[in-house]
Amino acid sequence: EDQVTQSPEALRLQEGESSSLNCSYTVSGLRGLFWYRQDPGKGPEFLFTLYSAGEEKEKERLKATLTKKESFLHITAPKPEDSATYLCAVRGGTSYGKLTFGQGTILTVHP
Amino acid sequence: DTAVSQTPKYLVTQMGNDKSIKCEQNLGHDTMYWYKQDSKKFLKIMFSYNNKELIINETVPNRFSPKSPDKAHLNLHINSLELGDSAVYFCASSQTQGDTQYFGPGTRLTVL
Repeated sequence: EDQVTQSPEALRLQEGESSSLNCSYTVSGLRGLFWYRQDPGKGPEFLFTLYSAGEEKEKERLKATLTKKESFLHITAPKPEDSATYLCAVRGGTSYGKLTFGQGTILTVHP
Repeated sequence: DTAVSQTPKYLVTQMGNDKSIKCEQNLGHDTMYWYKQDSKKFLKIMFSYNNKELIINETVPNRFSPKSPDKAHLNLHINSLELGDSAVYFCASSQTQGDTQYFGPGTRLTVL
């Protein structure tokens, strides 16, 4: 069974203080690792998809990387508007599109 | 130009009642999903339809029944609601089974 564990559960940063979120996974035949952002009271918003170890993707202050066992979401010089819950999910080889999510990391960026 | 929409946004009801949540997507996608997000924020897949055919049916009580009248709609009907059904239910869609999933705004169900 596919499993995803995210750490830390919560992260508080000062504006401009760079950091990383971790997503560890076990999956049978990775068909994609997905990062989403979720604001309170809203649905998850797609950020990135990574497919193979060594792949990296960037969007504004966010950069996602992937190894065979984990993914990192690096946040460079965060701003208060980056505060949200960041969700990681994997899709395995026999999942028919099913995503298995981690519990999320709640990021708070203080001005 | 909402991509994935759900109605209602909030649903408060008594135990034992039957209720439905509706989902519509205007992205032209073939695959739609229902997820449940519990109080600890875990998102878990419940069902998935591809071209109106049920392809994922996780371990969900029989009281939950999805219905897909066409590719753009996937509704969720819940019979005999229980306290433990209280959660946020999200609809999502993707171009095909393996593609990126786009989520709706969620329906917060509260069972009293």
